[in-house]
Amino acid sequence: EPEVTQTPSHQVTQMGQEVILRCVPISNHLYFYWYRQILGQKVEFLVSFYNNEISEKSEIFDDQFSVERPDGSNFTLKIRSTKLEDSAMYFCASRTGSNEQYFGPGTRLTVT
Amino acid sequence: DAKTTQPPSMDCAEGRAANLPCNHSTISGNEYVYWYRQIHSQGPQYIIHGLKNNETNEMASLIITEDRKSSTLILPHATLRDTAVYYCIVRASSASKIIFGSGTRLSIRP
Repeated sequence: EPEVTQTPSHQVTQMGQEVILRCVPISNHLYFYWYRQILGQKVEFLVSFYNNEISEKSEIFDDQFSVERPDGSNFTLKIRSTKLEDSAMYFCASRTGSNEQYFGPGTRLTVT
Repeated sequence: DAKTTQPPSMDCAEGRAANLPCNHSTISGNEYVYWYRQIHSQGPQYIIHGLKNNETNEMASLIITEDRKSSTLILPHATLRDTAVYYCIVRASSASKIIFGSGTRLSIRP
């Protein structure tokens, strides 16, 4: 069964550094999402992406965040200058036009 | 999206049916009831959704009351692998973002 994959599974970075989290959505999917979950808290929507542009973003998704689909398979989330409060699990999700969102296993980001 | 209310935790014996309730008294006519679950530290997983009719798939059954103000997710034969946080979400369609609440933490006891 096709699945969403994410790399790395765990990323440790120092405050102020840039990080790029990578996702490979399911191959025929057209809509892409990023969510995050701070330890012990709810899963929060960050951004949705379709047709090479952001379709919706939350208040969390400020100028420090950006997303890109650099080629036909990858979907990336970049955090320009990480803060301690960016430490969280980051989940990528994708879907076709009509089905539900399929989530990846997540990347645990630890900012020290 | 309408708000939902779920018990914070429940437990169920392995092999028995797990019945997870959800209240959504402010649901609008065009909103669906969706259920997801999140097994510890994994990505959320879609389970089932419905508008007003009861639905069943290979994972679960969804029973929606006639007035649509509440619903129950039924896992017919719970296993230890069903231990997870279960989220009841009301939203207009699969196109919209998912807004997760706190969910119900379901523990399956051997």
